[in-house]
Amino acid sequence: DAGVTQSPTHLIKTRGQQVTLRCSPKSGHDTVSWYQQALGQGPQFIFQYYEEEERQRGNFPDRFSGHQFPNYSSELNVNALLLGDSALYLCASSRREGYNSPLHFGNGTRLTVT
Amino acid sequence: GESVGLHLPTLSVQEGDNSIINCAYSNSASDYFIWYKQESGKGPQFIIDIRSNMDKRQGQRVTVLLNKTVKHLSLQIAATQPGDSAVYFCAETYTNAGKSTFGDGTTLTVKP
Repeated sequence: DAGVTQSPTHLIKTRGQQVTLRCSPKSGHDTVSWYQQALGQGPQFIFQYYEEEERQRGNFPDRFSGHQFPNYSSELNVNALLLGDSALYLCASSRREGYNSPLHFGNGTRLTVT
Repeated sequence: GESVGLHLPTLSVQEGDNSIINCAYSNSASDYFIWYKQESGKGPQFIIDIRSNMDKRQGQRVTVLLNKTVKHLSLQIAATQPGDSAVYFCAETYTNAGKSTFGDGTTLTVKP
């Protein structure tokens, strides 16, 4: 049973560029959340997708957008990259039913913006 | 606003000792709390959770205590082992919140 998988594992981009990160949820999970983790800090909630719609959003600018596909996989897009966007981007999946259940995280995509 | 904080950023213990990691939260509406362990180069991994209608829950070598009166959460690890060395995060959420709010973590180092 595959867990949450993310690609790529590492990425280097230049300021102003755009990036797309991908996530496949754990088998049986239908909800995907994205988190940004800066070095030495806890993960910060970006947004959550369920039934192909953004359901909740954290305090992140519109440069951050996402998508969920019919197979529950998801993408995170960041436009006009800033140096401050350098971080570990974590995808987490869960089941909508049985609310309040732990998140299952992937190992993240390390994004470096130069 | 919501915040989940840990009392100590680092904790160093001797192998075989018990470890206690503390966390304070501020949102009285939170009804579900989770402890995660994050090893270097990996995503956070679920350890144990507790709902607000409980004050204690035990797992294998781990115990979580919840004190809603003072909004305090703790993780106790019995007979700490070198493999327990990692960053530990507490997270809180509430029904229909959608998101979990994480603290900044405590780095646990286990000395042989």
